[in-house]
Amino acid sequence: EIFLTQSPATLSLSPGERATLSCRASQTIRGLLAWYQQKPGQAPRLLIYDASSRATGIPARFSGSGSGTDFTLTISSLEPEDFAVYYCQQRSAWPLTFGQGTRLEIK
Amino acid sequence: EVQMLESGGGLVQPGGSLRLSCAVSGFTFSSHALSWVRQAPGKGLEWVSTISPSSDLTFYADSVKGRFTISRDPSKSMLYLQMNSLRAEDTAVYFCVRRDVNWGSHDYWGQGTLVTVSS
Repeated sequence: EIFLTQSPATLSLSPGERATLSCRASQTIRGLLAWYQQKPGQAPRLLIYDASSRATGIPARFSGSGSGTDFTLTISSLEPEDFAVYYCQQRSAWPLTFGQGTRLEIK
Repeated sequence: EVQMLESGGGLVQPGGSLRLSCAVSGFTFSSHALSWVRQAPGKGLEWVSTISPSSDLTFYADSVKGRFTISRDPSKSMLYLQMNSLRAEDTAVYFCVRRDVNWGSHDYWGQGTLVTVSS
């Protein structure tokens, strides 16, 4: 099983600031990584697939990077609606696995 | 517009059974793998199961293998999850999710249905 470790667990920032979220895999996942955003009481929403491709309708302030085992989600300038929980997920091998999440909160 | 609508959740006793359903629309049903992903109260996301577009392949998390069965009905554009021998730790919101073509990422999610296993 491939384990995904997200850091930090909680990130406290202000609107307008840059957010950098990390996801590290226990073995190489060949770039087959996605990022999801989840707000309270809502279903997750796909933001980034295959490490760096933005999903349909996702604003350009969201970007993904990385390969192998280390991946990053960057939000260039935080908007109020970006404060949520973010999960990474790998589809390189079964079982599919998610990271434990990073909570992005308003400072 | 892609829509995924789950139903069938509820309260069930430990050891009991429940069948979740998901009505899908807005895309070619036979072109996409489909998954169930769950989220225990206050916890993170956990992948449960995936079925191939033609139903010939199914995959399960170890935590549910042998107890849960995923299936799909193309004539009705429905996805199912039969859950047997339910345990307290199966309590969660269960999301029906579409995978992008060619076993891609989980691109469309339903709103979820809550399953509570308790006596």
